[in-house]
Amino acid sequence: DAMVIQNPRYQVTQFGKPVTLSCSQTLNHNVMYWYQQKSSQAPKLLFHYYDKDFNNEADTPDNFQSRRPNTSFCFLDIRSPGLGDAAMYLCATSGPEQGYNEQFFGPGTRLTVL
Amino acid sequence: ILNVEQSPQSLHVQEGDSTNFTCSFPSSNFYALHWYRWETAKSPEALFVMTLNGDEKKKGRISATLNTKEGYSYLYIKGSQPEDSATYLCAFLGAGGYQKVTFGTGTKLQVIP
Repeated sequence: DAMVIQNPRYQVTQFGKPVTLSCSQTLNHNVMYWYQQKSSQAPKLLFHYYDKDFNNEADTPDNFQSRRPNTSFCFLDIRSPGLGDAAMYLCATSGPEQGYNEQFFGPGTRLTVL
Repeated sequence: ILNVEQSPQSLHVQEGDSTNFTCSFPSSNFYALHWYRWETAKSPEALFVMTLNGDEKKKGRISATLNTKEGYSYLYIKGSQPEDSATYLCAFLGAGGYQKVTFGTGTKLQVIP
């Protein structure tokens, strides 16, 4: 089955220690998104890629970076995690088959910062 | 900043009860509204993509309605079952393309056997 995979599912890091979260997809979608969801809050878009074009949301902290080496993979790098970065991180994709009108999600990576 | 609100925040119902919850969104600049079901430890799964005012969609015991003029959508679950326990998220897609998605905070449903 075509899907969106996130690794790891749970990540523990230390305050200030860089961490990378991974997302891969078998849907061959050209748009990939990263969302951050803190407890009891709505998922918040951090950035997205349209093909190789990177689109950062205006309020995404500089501490968050992303890489997309190819269509299938996208990484979220947190350069110096703070306690406030503990959250669920969701990756999603969309494609022209659905008119970009539907997003397909991975199961998320829950990040804990000690 | 767009305001997409869902109510209630959480809900406990007995098995067999019917339930409904609300998503409210801006009535201007509407493109589509999505409903997702997010079970614990799984990926959010798309339930409905709604685009036209007056849309009604149904999938088994779950249905949804859309009113774009007044900016709300209802999700109904008939005869709730324990497997319906999940967080239900709505997402507003504004005109301007795929990037303009704003999520609500979700309604967490717990169905008690």
